[in-house]
Amino acid sequence: AQSVAQPEDQVNVAEGNPLTVKCTYSVSGNPYLFWYVQYPNRGLQFLLKYITGDNLVKGSYGFEAEFNKSQTSFHLKKPSALVSDSALYFCAVSSTGGGNKLTFGTGTQLKVEL
Amino acid sequence: DGGITQSPKYLFRKEGQNVTLSCEQNLNHDAMYWYRQDPGQGLRLIYYSQIVNDFQKGDIAEGYSVSREKKESFPLTVTSAQKNPTAFYLCASSMVGARNTIYFGEGSWLTVV
Repeated sequence: AQSVAQPEDQVNVAEGNPLTVKCTYSVSGNPYLFWYVQYPNRGLQFLLKYITGDNLVKGSYGFEAEFNKSQTSFHLKKPSALVSDSALYFCAVSSTGGGNKLTFGTGTQLKVEL
Repeated sequence: DGGITQSPKYLFRKEGQNVTLSCEQNLNHDAMYWYRQDPGQGLRLIYYSQIVNDFQKGDIAEGYSVSREKKESFPLTVTSAQKNPTAFYLCASSMVGARNTIYFGEGSWLTVV
């Protein structure tokens, strides 16, 4: 079975500072890793994904994520946070052994303060 | 506009009633999904379909039913057998294959009154 862990329910950061939202995963087979963002009462918006190749993946709105196979992690990062980045962030995994089913973490609430 | 349309956005149901949530996509995606979102629990898969006239149960299918008569449409019925139906329901679609991105609709709130 595949699973995702987001160890922090909430992350607080000051505007202009770098941010990191953590994610670790467990799969059998090759992992495909995704980050989504959700604003209140809205659907999930796709940010970026890792399929293969370069371990550093760049996505929308200046976000990037680093795939680390040895640590089974896929942390989301941004060099300079904006207040408008405040939202709920979900990490998700699918795998060659899991069909096309995405398994989600429980989400991390990001709060960027002035 | 291309995308996934869910309706209604807000729905109130009396106990004992069945309700149907609509999901339509014009992205030409073969696969469609229904997820349930509860606070602090992330998203849980209810049903998914990879082709017309075929669908599979997800992790929490009890008390729900679906149909896939058209490629564009994947309605979800919340039956009276679902014990705790109050939640945010998200429909999604993608091309078939684990590496393909799944795209989401704007969601529907169901409240049992």
